[in-house]
Amino acid sequence: DSGVTQTPKHLITATGQRVTLRCSPRSGDLSVYWYQQSLDQGLQFLIHYYNGEERAKGNILERFSAQQFPDLHSELNLSSLELGDSALYFCASSPRYSTDTQYFGPGTRLTVL
Amino acid sequence: AQSVTQLDSHVSVSEGTPVLLRCNYSSSYSPSLFWYVQHPNKGLQLLLKYTSAATLVKGINGFEAEFKKSETSFHLTKPSAHMSDAAEYFCVVSDQAGTASKLTFGTGTRLQVTL
Repeated sequence: DSGVTQTPKHLITATGQRVTLRCSPRSGDLSVYWYQQSLDQGLQFLIHYYNGEERAKGNILERFSAQQFPDLHSELNLSSLELGDSALYFCASSPRYSTDTQYFGPGTRLTVL
Repeated sequence: AQSVTQLDSHVSVSEGTPVLLRCNYSSSYSPSLFWYVQHPNKGLQLLLKYTSAATLVKGINGFEAEFKKSETSFHLTKPSAHMSDAAEYFCVVSDQAGTASKLTFGTGTRLQVTL
């Protein structure tokens, strides 16, 4: 158990809908990262927040957005969902002293029908 | 841009025999390199990390990796495979600038362990 929690574990929804994925980092970690894992694209970095501020963006679609709240939990919002958005979404957090050492949550499996 | 290439998409070994999972990296400067493992329907677990302190890095569950700058390699090894080692393994490079850090993952190597 990494100490990073993600909810929900599974999510099934329809095309065109909007969903919110939630992540709580390890106690004391200020950074939260979001990754997408799909069969065709592999594991891809989406976005990084540090203490409430966006720090880096990867291959995140405009239909997707994220935020980190004052209590440091983060939410990833996916809207206008398409079949191709079906994937495992991972959240990770890192300690202040070693920001490139990331600890991953169990993931949220999103299925878009 | 930094990248990693995992040379084998699938490796099969017998229980009790050595494991070798190969990874080459590309980086314009001294990188941070990692190996992560993903068991079926599970999240990613950090196995080990290289940050230039020592070229031979020991990780959890008996795994280790050697950083070879001349060969731009960071291969993962284990002397004796166990059935519980069957999983997907990812070689990862970090692109860090200040407090921003982005991990770039290889395509993964699926390790199969047979009796």
